[in-house]
Amino acid sequence: DAGVIQSPRHEVTEMGQEVTLRCKPISGHNSLFWYRQTMMRGLELLIYFNNNVPIDDSGMPEDRFSAKMPNASFSTLKIQPSEPRDSAVYFCASSRSGQGISSEAFFGQGTRLTVV
Amino acid sequence: LAKTTQPISMDSYEGQEVNITCSHNNIATNDYITWYQQFPSQGPRFIIQGYKTKVTNEVASLFIPADRKSSTLSLPRVSLSDTAVYYCLVGGTGGFKTIFGAGTRLFVKA
Repeated sequence: DAGVIQSPRHEVTEMGQEVTLRCKPISGHNSLFWYRQTMMRGLELLIYFNNNVPIDDSGMPEDRFSAKMPNASFSTLKIQPSEPRDSAVYFCASSRSGQGISSEAFFGQGTRLTVV
Repeated sequence: LAKTTQPISMDSYEGQEVNITCSHNNIATNDYITWYQQFPSQGPRFIIQGYKTKVTNEVASLFIPADRKSSTLSLPRVSLSDTAVYYCLVGGTGGFKTIFGAGTRLFVKA
């Protein structure tokens, strides 16, 4: 398996533009997580899905952020409109749920977003 | 969710054993303890997970005392490539909500 695949790896956009980050989880994993990492705040959980259903989105900072998982092999995180304070590395992770001690999470390489 | 406390940073030399301790005083009965490693410009990588006593794999060992209020990640004979941030997490399994603390920045010197 290729692991969790995120695209793009780098994104530079202007303030006010819409940004869409994409994630393909590992096949067979039915839990998916979106994280944001900055120097100031570390790794923050934004939202997680189980079986394509959003379970907890309490970490989504504001209404400008939205996430979808239309099927088991694809998820998007959208920021509209983007602001400079959204600049961060965004990670997607997936895991098998209900697998007991083996439900470790596998992370993608991340998308480095810069909003200017 | 149980809060974790771990040292902000540690230094070591190549070939030494490194032990990183994490405190989780309010761990719940169903919680597991999981450690991740993160290199610069990469996503975190799972190292080891345990519930109680000792767990060992090809990378590390995890020691958990009977009261489970702390845990120690042991890295045998570290090398320069083990320089990374190590995160201790506590939470339930089954699509659990994985919360990362500040982590411990390990710097291995030659």
